[in-house]
Amino acid sequence: DADVTQTPRNRITKTGKRIMLECSQTKGHDRMYWYRQDPGLGLRLIYYSFDVKDINKGEISDGYSVSRQAQAKFSLSLESAIPNQTALYFCATSTGIYGYTFGSGTRLTVV
Amino acid sequence: AQSVTQLGSHVSVSEGALVLLRCNYSSSVPPYLFWYVQYPNQGLQLLLKYTTGATLVKGINGFEAEFKKSETSFHLTKPSAHMSDAAEYFCAVSDMYSGGGADGLTFGKGTHLIIQP
Repeated sequence: DADVTQTPRNRITKTGKRIMLECSQTKGHDRMYWYRQDPGLGLRLIYYSFDVKDINKGEISDGYSVSRQAQAKFSLSLESAIPNQTALYFCATSTGIYGYTFGSGTRLTVV
Repeated sequence: AQSVTQLGSHVSVSEGALVLLRCNYSSSVPPYLFWYVQYPNQGLQLLLKYTTGATLVKGINGFEAEFKKSETSFHLTKPSAHMSDAAEYFCAVSDMYSGGGADGLTFGKGTHLIIQP
């Protein structure tokens, strides 16, 4: 099994729908992150969490919310999806010093 | 605030030629620096990282990078390109000293490496 698992791998949804992307990890890391990747823009940080009670906004948090249900689970929600949220979304975990482990990504298309 | 600039959104080299992907960063404190590779339709894989110590860092698949503080650079090189190196490469910086560290990585916009046969 992968260290960082993202579900679903691909999703097509309609404008205005609520959607949740899920991430679970077996690394035992306290720190978890959500990034989005857009062509030509690299990866940008949406939210990050140091532990279950500590959640922080990243560079581009507008239109997104997150939930840290447990140390191993970190979900990203789009309350009302819009087309410019079409992107590749990555979850990552970290110890903070020794590097980051990324999931395989969720490709989201909003039509 | 930290930032990363990758010079060249696309770099094309011939198979067997030197690969040089450029990365410059800005950070108010000593940074941790990373290079990641992304193959088509896959996630990110760590190539190498610089934290402290030796400034020449060796990574996987024959890649290496050198941290040059005076030039605020962390360029990625490989002596001889292989067709399998074709991918997207991302440079990233972590400001370890801000708020206890790990407000996530700041990424460059990426460089698409094309290998010509």
